[in-house]
Amino acid sequence: TQLLEQSPQFLSIQEGENLTVYCNSSSVFSSLQWYRQEPGEGPVLLVTVVTGGEVKKLKRLTFQFGDARKDSSLHITAAQPGDTGLYLCAGARNYGQNFVFGPGTRLSVLP
Amino acid sequence: ETGVTQSPTHLIKTRGQQVTLRCSSQSGHNTVSWYQQALGQGPQFIFQYYREEENGRGNFPPRFSGLQFPNYSSELNVNALELDDSALYLCASRQGLTDTQYFGPGTRLTVL
Repeated sequence: TQLLEQSPQFLSIQEGENLTVYCNSSSVFSSLQWYRQEPGEGPVLLVTVVTGGEVKKLKRLTFQFGDARKDSSLHITAAQPGDTGLYLCAGARNYGQNFVFGPGTRLSVLP
Repeated sequence: ETGVTQSPTHLIKTRGQQVTLRCSSQSGHNTVSWYQQALGQGPQFIFQYYREEENGRGNFPPRFSGLQFPNYSSELNVNALELDDSALYLCASRQGLTDTQYFGPGTRLTVL
């Protein structure tokens, strides 16, 4: 059983479309992170959210942490082929503890 | 680039052998975590070292062991390799127990 679930598992869209991917858990996290990973490389941190209800924007990417700190979403506006990759969420139950990763959403943006 | 380096990049071993993977943390970082990422899955936490001591371990058998050196670089050792150990092994470093960790590019281990 995964502590963190991500949906959808796979997503293939056309350039210019918008999309949202989700990260859900029955557990509360002190912080939650989103990463993007390209084939053959390590994950690259996109954002860390720590406050319930928090919204962070990074150019065309908008991240939201649920009020109860059990879930999060990542919204991409006007997707580009360069957004293609594996999007991973990771949560820490308490400060300083290790991060638990979800299985990821594999995004493909077609030109 | 994150400043975290791993060696080797790729490795092929046979079942029953032993392997040592290495990680150099980003300058100033004294915490290193190791993860195993099987094909098509998210990284699974193996263990974490903070100031040369293990301070967290995931659900991995004792044949997975590690070390952290005074310069905070780290090793992951796996004994009695099994076919299911084939995966990308990632290390990540951070300063203390802060939230922000930086990953290396990984070592791709294939067990035949």
